Amino acid sequence: DQQVKQNSPSLSVQEGRISILNCDYTNSMFDYFLWYKKYPAEGPTFLISISSIKDKNEDGRFTVFLNKSAKHLSLHIVPSQPGDSAVYFCAASLNYGGSQGNLIFGKGTKLSVKP
Amino acid sequence: DAMVIQNPRYQVTQFGKPVTLSCSQTLNHNVMYWYQQKSSQAPKLLFHYYDKDFNNEADTPDNFQSRRPNTSFCFLDIRSPGLGDTAMYLCATSVSYTQYFGPGTRLTVL
Repeated sequence: DQQVKQNSPSLSVQEGRISILNCDYTNSMFDYFLWYKKYPAEGPTFLISISSIKDKNEDGRFTVFLNKSAKHLSLHIVPSQPGDSAVYFCAASLNYGGSQGNLIFGKGTKLSVKP
Repeated sequence: DAMVIQNPRYQVTQFGKPVTLSCSQTLNHNVMYWYQQKSSQAPKLLFHYYDKDFNNEADTPDNFQSRRPNTSFCFLDIRSPGLGDTAMYLCATSVSYTQYFGPGTRLTVL
């Protein structure tokens, strides 16, 4: 029973265009959401996050949008670069601000940015 | 500068032969986590420590145990590895809601 779903296992985008990675969740009690980026043979690297009280958070080329009514969030990368090619994991937490907040991960979406 | 360090990066063991994976951190975070990630799967939390308090996930097999002798170090012990334990094992730390991961140990059980 997956509480966090990334329905697209892969996505291919041309360099310079926008990459949109999607994530759906089922538990309305999730109060914090994070995106991680993972290169092969490395651990996940924190990218950007958003609390449930916001609907948008932006950091440079990366923007995360949260639609609570639809239980949906998305990560936008503009412009996409070849170095962005990696697996992107969406994660959700039940304890915002609490250090014991466990993360529930999606299965990831593999992004390929072609020159 | 490495913040969460895992050793070894690659480990091969035989079926049933105990193995210990190591994690250390320079962040002085009070929470440390161990995850198991199998190919094309989401990372799955095995257990975590909040300071010295150990919290086991309900579905973590008894075969998996952990030790945290001090703030900086945490170990994952697999007492009798099975073929199904072949996976990437990720250590993470946190002080609030964001977790910081090490590079992982890829364990292969033959």
